[in-house]
This record gives sequence, C-alpha cells and structure tokens, in this order.
Amino acid sequence: ELKVEQNPLFLSMQEGKNYTIYCNYSTTSDRLYWYRQDPGKSLESLFVLLSNGAVKQEGRLMASLDTKARLSTLHITAAVHDLSATYFCAVGLGSQGNLIFGKGTKLSVKP
Amino acid sequence: DTEVTQTPKHLVMGMTNKKSLKCEQHMGHRAMYWYKQKAKKPPELMFVYSYEKLSINESVPSRFSPECPNSSLLNLHLHALQPEDSALYLCASSQDWSGAQMDGYTFGSGTRLTVV
Repeated sequence: ELKVEQNPLFLSMQEGKNYTIYCNYSTTSDRLYWYRQDPGKSLESLFVLLSNGAVKQEGRLMASLDTKARLSTLHITAAVHDLSATYFCAVGLGSQGNLIFGKGTKLSVKP
Repeated sequence: DTEVTQTPKHLVMGMTNKKSLKCEQHMGHRAMYWYKQKAKKPPELMFVYSYEKLSINESVPSRFSPECPNSSLLNLHLHALQPEDSALYLCASSQDWSGAQMDGYTFGSGTRLTVV
C-alpha cells in the first residue's frame, strides 16, 4: 500500500522567509504532483514532476523530485501572504490513474 | 477550454432524496475521476473512468452510483445518503488514465454536499 507523508502539517512563516515542505512516499513511483488549495476551493495544479531529478520553478515556489529517495520538496522563497493556503503532494500509483494524496501542509504567512 | 465544470456548486439533500452531481470537460481527456474530500482532509479517490468504462471503484457504498454517458460527461448519482457523506466532491480529468502527461490532472471546483 502506497503511503504519502508530508511534513510539516502546519507551517507558520513570516513574510520574506524561506522554507521547505517535504513529501515522502513508500513505494516506487515516477509521478509526483503538487497542488494548492484555498479554503473552500478546489485544487490548483502547481507542478507535475515526471522523472528523477526533475526541478520546476514558478515564482516563489520550486519543486523537485528524487525518485531514488522517494522524496519531493516544495521550496518557498521569500514568502508573501498570498501564498497562505494548504499544499498537497500526490503520488501516482501504478498505471491506473490513482492519485494518493499526502495529508497536506497548511501554510500561514504572516506580515 | 481548459476547465472541468461541476454542477451544482452547493447541494443540500435529505437522507431520502435522490440527486445527481454533474461534471463536464471539453479538453479531450479520456480519463475522469470522482474524489471525496472531507473537511481538513486530503481528497480520496472514489471512481475512475477510462474511455467511458469504469476502471476503479474504491469500495464505495452503492448509495453512490457513477455514470459516464460520453467522453465529456461524468455523473455521480446519489441516493439514501447519510450525514457522514457530507463533503466536497471533486471531479478531475486527465489526458489518459496514467495522467503522465505534462498537464497532469485537472480538477473541477467541486460540489459541496450537505446531507441533512
């Protein structure tokens, strides 16, 4: 059974600071996705990581994937209040389209 | 069109009611999904349709009945639900059922269901 663990689950940051969210998973997969969810809203796709060593950046967010370590990171640079949301990583299971989500990291960026 | 459209956005239903949730996409995606998300929890997969055929049913109670009338539409028929079924129901689609394309999975805005 594939397990996906995110940490931390809660993160309170000051504006301007850097931090990293970690996503570990328990079985082999080469498909890793990061999503953002605002309260009461749907999931917004942030990054699609499909190979070992993949690194993608969008604005203040950068995601990477190490399939050998079964680890993905989401790095936040110089946080701003608008980044406050819950961030989920999700791992693709096998070839059947199933996504297994981590529990999510609730990020709060304070002035 | 790069969206997945879900209707209604909000639904309140009694335990004896029958209702349906609808999901539509016009991106040519051939895989469509229903997820259930309880408050402060991650989404959990309910059903996967690939090329209009049910591929995965994650042991969902029979009071939830999915239907895929064509490649663009996905319905979730609800009957005799319980209050614990109250949740955000998310529809998603992907180019194929591995989702291993650069656009990954696209989620709709969801239907917030309350069972009273």
